Formats: sequence, structure tokens, C-alpha cells
Amino acid sequence: GDSVTQMEGPVTLSEEAFLTINCTYTATGYPSLFWYVQYPGEGLQLLLKATKADDKGSNKGFEATYRKETTSFHLEKGSVQVSDSAVYFCALRWGFQKLVFGTGTRLLVSP
Amino acid sequence: NAGVTQTPKFQVLKTGQSMTLQCAQDMNHNSMYWYRQDPGMGLRLIYYSASEGTTDKGEVPNGYNVSRLNKREFSLRLESAAPSQTSVYFCASSEGRDHSNQPQHFGDGTRLSIL
Repeated sequence: GDSVTQMEGPVTLSEEAFLTINCTYTATGYPSLFWYVQYPGEGLQLLLKATKADDKGSNKGFEATYRKETTSFHLEKGSVQVSDSAVYFCALRWGFQKLVFGTGTRLLVSP
Repeated sequence: NAGVTQTPKFQVLKTGQSMTLQCAQDMNHNSMYWYRQDPGMGLRLIYYSASEGTTDKGEVPNGYNVSRLNKREFSLRLESAAPSQTSVYFCASSEGRDHSNQPQHFGDGTRLSIL
């Protein structure tokens, strides 16, 4: 079945460091891909999305490119801030299927 | 804009007790979902409702029931709570019946502990 694999955390960075969180997927069709972020004590919020191959989603300095050839959707940010500390979830959806989430990656950014 | 509202935020139950988790959305969305979030397992879909009047099982429906009361409200019921149901529960909604590229909007969660 469809699945999403994320790198295990926590990812620990200093402020202004470069961030990459890896995400790969397995799907029988051509899914839409999403990154959600969960801040402590809150629900998930959509961070960005891409609906077809080579699309780049971007928001709040975060970017991810839909790579069909490597079935990947890695999340990147050039300079992280303490306020970016959260759990990040990669997810996919295809056709009428429900949203399939990865297990989440915790990011900790220190001053 | 309230978005998706869940009540209660916290609850402690004894094994065998029943309770209903409430969820309401004010975005006129057609589809609604219940997930549980457990450490190391991400979010798992319990039940969903693609439109008013319909409900379907997700990945982990056992021990739960749902009611899509109207377009706004989607409740989750535990008839006889078990310690394995200790989790954080999230309700979500999305605009269309076609799920393919539309994001889901989440509530802040209900933290449920079963003793």
C-alpha cells in the first residue's frame, strides 16, 4: 500500500543552520505531497504542498520539490530559527485515498 | 475564525467507561476525519466521513464509533475504554469529497488517558 518514510529524529541544529528533513514515498499512482508542522500542544498545520512532479512547494522559508524519479519530497530551509522547533510530518494523498502520514521528525533549534 | 474545534482538550477515564469526543468545523467542509497520534507511529486514521450522512472505517477503527451529526459536527465515541486507547486524538476536515490535492485542517487535539 501507499506509505511515507521520514528520517528519524530528533534533528538538532543551531540557529541559522541549514535544514534538510528527508521524506520518501511509495504510491501506486501519482499522489499529492504535503508537509505538515505540529508545534507543541497544537494540532497539525499545513506547511506546504505539491501536486505534481517537479512542483516546488514553499512557505515561511521552507521548500520542498516533488521528485518523481527518486520518489522524494525533502523539506529544506536555508536558515532555521528557534521558533521552527516543532514536529514535521510528510504526507501523501492519491485519488480518493485518505491522507497517509509519515511518523514525524522532531526538529530542535538552539540559540 | 475558529476552524476545527475539539472538546474536551483533556480527559482521564477508567477502563470500561464510555465517552464521546466532539468535533465541529465552521469552514463548510464536506469531509471530516478522526485520527489518533501515538509516539513513533505518526497519525493513524480511525474513521472518516466523506460527506454528511456517510462514514467509513480507516486504519484503526476497532473500539470506536462515529456519528456525522450534520455537516459541521463529527463525533467519536469510545463505548468501553481500554488502556490501549490512551492517545492524542485529532479531528480534521477538508473541503471536497475528492481528497486528492486538498489539505486537511486540524483541531488542537484531545489528550485522553485510560487508567
